[in-house]
Amino acid sequence: AQSVTQLDSHVSVSEGTPVLLRCNYSSSYSPSLFWYVQHPNKGLQLLLKYTSAATLVKGINGFEAEFKKSETSFHLTKPSAHMSDAAEYFCVVTDNYGQNFVFGPGTRLSVLP
Amino acid sequence: ETGVTQSPTHLIKTRGQQVTLRCSSQSGHNTVSWYQQALGQGPQFIFQYYREEENGRGNFPPRFSGLQFPNYSSELNVNALELDDSALYLCATSPGGRGRGNTGELFFGEGSRLTVL
Repeated sequence: AQSVTQLDSHVSVSEGTPVLLRCNYSSSYSPSLFWYVQHPNKGLQLLLKYTSAATLVKGINGFEAEFKKSETSFHLTKPSAHMSDAAEYFCVVTDNYGQNFVFGPGTRLSVLP
Repeated sequence: ETGVTQSPTHLIKTRGQQVTLRCSSQSGHNTVSWYQQALGQGPQFIFQYYREEENGRGNFPPRFSGLQFPNYSSELNVNALELDDSALYLCATSPGGRGRGNTGELFFGEGSRLTVL
């Protein structure tokens, strides 16, 4: 069975400072991992994905994540937060069959002026 | 914009009633998945359809059922509504098919928010 843990339910940063959203996963298979973002009253948008290619993955809007198999982690980072980054972020794992995308509970990112 | 549209956007039902939610797939996407997102939680997988057949199911009771049509649009039906069914229901489509290797991106609609009173 697969599972995802997002270690922080809420992260608050000041505009212009770095962002770190933490994610640990459990999977019996070689996983594919994703980060999705959900703005209020909006659907989910893909930020980036890891599918067994390069371990450092770059996504949209300056976000990136590093897959660390030894630590079973896939933390999301951004060098400098922008007000528009305020949203809910979900770490997601799926197996090779791509049937069941397992979502973490989410981390709410607040960006302070 | 993902090209995935869901209807209705909001609806209110009473306990025991039945509801049908609809999803129009992005062009060329033959796989559709449905998720339930309760307030303050991550989406939970309900089921997936591939070319009109159910292709995987999460931990939801049989009163949650679905259909996929030849044009790949889809319906989610929930019978005998319970208060705990109140949630945002998300439809997600993808161009992948059944089996190994389908680990591509999911394209989400904006959801149907169901309130059960």
